[in-house]
Amino acid sequence: EADIYQTPRYLVIGTGKKITLECSQTMGHDKMYWYQQDPGMELHLIHYSYGVNSTEKGDLSSESTVSRIRTEHFPLTLESARPSHTSQYLCASSDRGAGQSEAFFGQGTRLTVV
Amino acid sequence: DQQVKQNSPSLSVQEGRISILNCDYTNSMFDYFLWYKKYPAEGPTFLISISSIKDKNEDGRFTVFLNKSAKHLSLHIVPSQPGDSAVYFCAPRDSGTYKYIFGTGTRLKVLA
Repeated sequence: EADIYQTPRYLVIGTGKKITLECSQTMGHDKMYWYQQDPGMELHLIHYSYGVNSTEKGDLSSESTVSRIRTEHFPLTLESARPSHTSQYLCASSDRGAGQSEAFFGQGTRLTVV
Repeated sequence: DQQVKQNSPSLSVQEGRISILNCDYTNSMFDYFLWYKKYPAEGPTFLISISSIKDKNEDGRFTVFLNKSAKHLSLHIVPSQPGDSAVYFCAPRDSGTYKYIFGTGTRLKVLA
């Protein structure tokens, strides 16, 4: 059982609001990721982090921002939500340990902007 | 330019038979190849992986085969069960960046 948690699971919010999606892991993993998935589509990497104070943009351009002040916490923020931000947001973490290959995912946040 | 392709968007298999899901890739820097299972509105669940130095890895009903020269891998599920019905993603890991690149997914339906 992976110890990575995302809140909220579902969020419906009005256009123009600022939102923060929370992601926390208790496994001490150094690497964390945010993926975005539209229904029926592949997962696109939008942000990743190698450790504290390290953040990088992913392969898909996103208007969201992230921070990594603590190892276990990797929140994603949208300053002004728009309907085009409606999607599922998935957080993951992984370790660099020998023989460790997999990333563990949280349950996801389904965001709807109206 | 898509680095990971799963050319079959969907697959239907009778219960008890073998399910074969395929994945093609272009990047030679991948060091591990992972398969994830995903239900709607949930996060992906890790199934099985294979190192780039291996050509086969088996775990219970799941076997993954890697053909590096063809840049192709496949996931075999046998026997298939109705509970296996889900979307399956191939997700290789880039050895330089540790990024996981997801394919487009294959929706598997196992018929009882």
